[in-house]
Amino acid sequence: AQKVTQAQTEISVVEKEDVTLDCVYETRDTTYYLFWYKQPPSGELVFLIRRNSFDEQNEISGRYSWNFQKSTSSFNFTITASQVVDSAVYFCALLSGAAGNKLTFGGGTRVLVKP
Amino acid sequence: DTEVTQTPKHLVMGMTNKKSLKCEQHMGHRAMYWYKQKAKKPPELMFVYSYEKLSINESVPSRFSPECPNSSLLNLHLHALQPEDSALYLCASSFTQWDQPQHFGDGTRLSIL
Repeated sequence: AQKVTQAQTEISVVEKEDVTLDCVYETRDTTYYLFWYKQPPSGELVFLIRRNSFDEQNEISGRYSWNFQKSTSSFNFTITASQVVDSAVYFCALLSGAAGNKLTFGGGTRVLVKP
Repeated sequence: DTEVTQTPKHLVMGMTNKKSLKCEQHMGHRAMYWYKQKAKKPPELMFVYSYEKLSINESVPSRFSPECPNSSLLNLHLHALQPEDSALYLCASSFTQWDQPQHFGDGTRLSIL
């Protein structure tokens, strides 16, 4: 079975605080991809990052950083010095052949950044 | 601005109407997708087209009928919808089903009266 769990349904922070979004996944495949998407109130899903199962290097892109740990099946996302524009729903997703090359989304975490 | 264009952005229709949602991309992607998203839920996959052929149908009711006229266009024909079909409908595309990520459009907000 393939599953993605985002345990935090909503996080509220004050601007400039750091916020970490948790993502835990399950798959029996050894080759798979993990993704993070951002969905602002306007509706479109914006692709943020892709990580394959063989690349455990952490990544930083501006104020965003990702921590991939295969040992704990986690792919966590941190926003440093949050801004009001970061307010959105963030989805973690998993793609593997065992699931027919279909994206499995987590339930999403709503982030509210207050000024 | 997204590279996947969906029209219309909003649609209100009665249960007896027939309408179509349109999706277009010019990135040379050969996989295209329709998703349905209810409020406070993740997107749910409906259909996948791969190289213009229907690859996946997630047991979607026949009142939703997809069509892929060419590699750049994807349509979703709607007929005799129910109020519970009101949702955000998202189109996405990727190079192939395996070579991702998927790029999403802005969606069509559909309301069924």
